[in-house]
Amino acid sequence: DTGVSQNPRHKITKRGQNVTFRCDPISEHNRLYWYRQTLGQGPEFLTYFQNEAQLEKSRLLSDRFSAERPKGSFSTLEIQRTEQGDSAMYLCASSPQGVWETQYFGPGTRLLVL
Amino acid sequence: DQQVKQNSPSLSVQEGRISILNCDYTNSMFDYFLWYKKYPAEGPTFLISISSIKDKNEDGRFTVFLNKSAKHLSLHIVPSQPGDSAVYFCAASDGNKLVFGAGTILRVKS
Repeated sequence: DTGVSQNPRHKITKRGQNVTFRCDPISEHNRLYWYRQTLGQGPEFLTYFQNEAQLEKSRLLSDRFSAERPKGSFSTLEIQRTEQGDSAMYLCASSPQGVWETQYFGPGTRLLVL
Repeated sequence: DQQVKQNSPSLSVQEGRISILNCDYTNSMFDYFLWYKKYPAEGPTFLISISSIKDKNEDGRFTVFLNKSAKHLSLHIVPSQPGDSAVYFCAASDGNKLVFGAGTILRVKS
C-alpha cells in the first residue's frame, strides 16, 4: 500500500510529557502537511513542508510544537510539555508536485493528554 | 472567523435518492475546492474537486457544483447508497493549505 502512514495510531500521555508523531507521505510527494482535528470540527492547518523546507506555520502552532522533515521524506511532529487542550487527532497529508491542492490524508494519530 | 461553513450538521436520505450537501465560503481568494469523506477512526478520503474556473465537475455518482458569485458549492450524490454514510467535509484551498468546514454527517437509510 502506498498511502500516507502515521505512527503511532493512538497515544495516551500525562500532562507535561513530550510526545512525537511520525508521518510517512506517499512516495515522491513533495509537499507534506500537518493538521489537527478536534471533536465536531474539521481539520485545522498547522504547518506544511515542500521537500525539507518548512514554508508556512499556523498561529495554532505554539512554541511547544515543532515539526521537521529532515531529508524531505518522512516528517515528525513533536509536542513538548503537553497540555490537556492538545488532545486531538493529528492528521498528516501529502500532495504531488503540480497538484498541490489535492491532499491525501493518513489515518491520523489520536492523542489523549490526561 | 469561519471562512468555510457547512450549515447542516446532519442529513438523512433514503437509499437510491439524491443527497445534496452544501458549503459556503467567504474568502474570494480561494481558487480550488474539494470534498472529503471521513469514516470514524480514519483520515479524510479525497472524493472530488473543482477549480474556480469551472462550475461543475462530475465523477461517477458524485457531482460538485460551484457558484462563485454566491460563494457556494454543493456535492450531489446520485443514487445514494448505505455505504455513503459518513462525515463529509468541504475544503477550500488558497494554493497552499486547505481550510475545512465543520462537516456534515450523512446517513443513508436502506
